[in-house]
Amino acid sequence: QQQVKQSPQSLIVQKGGISIINCAYENTAFDYFPWYQQFPGKGPALLIAIRPDVSEKKEGRFTISFNKSAKQFSLHIMDSQPGDSATYFCAAVMDSNYQLIWGAGTKLIIKP
Amino acid sequence: DAMVIQNPRYQVTQFGKPVTLSCSQTLNHNVMYWYQQKSSQAPKLLFHYYDKDFNNEADTPDNFQSRRPNTSFCFLDIRSPGLGDAAMYLCATGLTGVKSNEQFFGPGTRLTVL
Repeated sequence: QQQVKQSPQSLIVQKGGISIINCAYENTAFDYFPWYQQFPGKGPALLIAIRPDVSEKKEGRFTISFNKSAKQFSLHIMDSQPGDSATYFCAAVMDSNYQLIWGAGTKLIIKP
Repeated sequence: DAMVIQNPRYQVTQFGKPVTLSCSQTLNHNVMYWYQQKSSQAPKLLFHYYDKDFNNEADTPDNFQSRRPNTSFCFLDIRSPGLGDAAMYLCATGLTGVKSNEQFFGPGTRLTVL
């Protein structure tokens, strides 16, 4: 019940296209759903996050869509650029313990 | 700039030779985490501190120890590194009592075991 399932494992998108990564969770006690971006040889960095009281959050080219009833959330990257090539992790957190429950990660490659 | 600093960035050790990795932060965060990340995997939490309270994950090997002498510094000691301990070690910080639950990661230390 603590798992977060992420798909796809890898994704190749043409420059300018839309990249979509999906995550699903089971535990309805999760309060916070962040997406982390990690470049090779670097630590993860928070990209965007959402709480379950909203269905969508947009920051620039990055949007989280959240479906509470389906227990799913997704990251959309509009107008994908080669600089977006990285590994993306979704995660879920409970306010009571602050611990990140990580998805398995998606390696995104944007082709020029 | 406030940040999380890890030293060294690359560490090579021999099988069984103790090694210490360090982490410092200028964010004044009360929570510090140590993660192990192997290639193409998500980070795996080893332990964390809420202030001085140490919390060990149930599946963290006894070979791994940690010290937090003050708010700013945290150390990861690997007493007898095995080949399976080769990985990236990530330090992160966080702040309790705020809504964001964000964790701030350092750049990591890449550990090689020969």
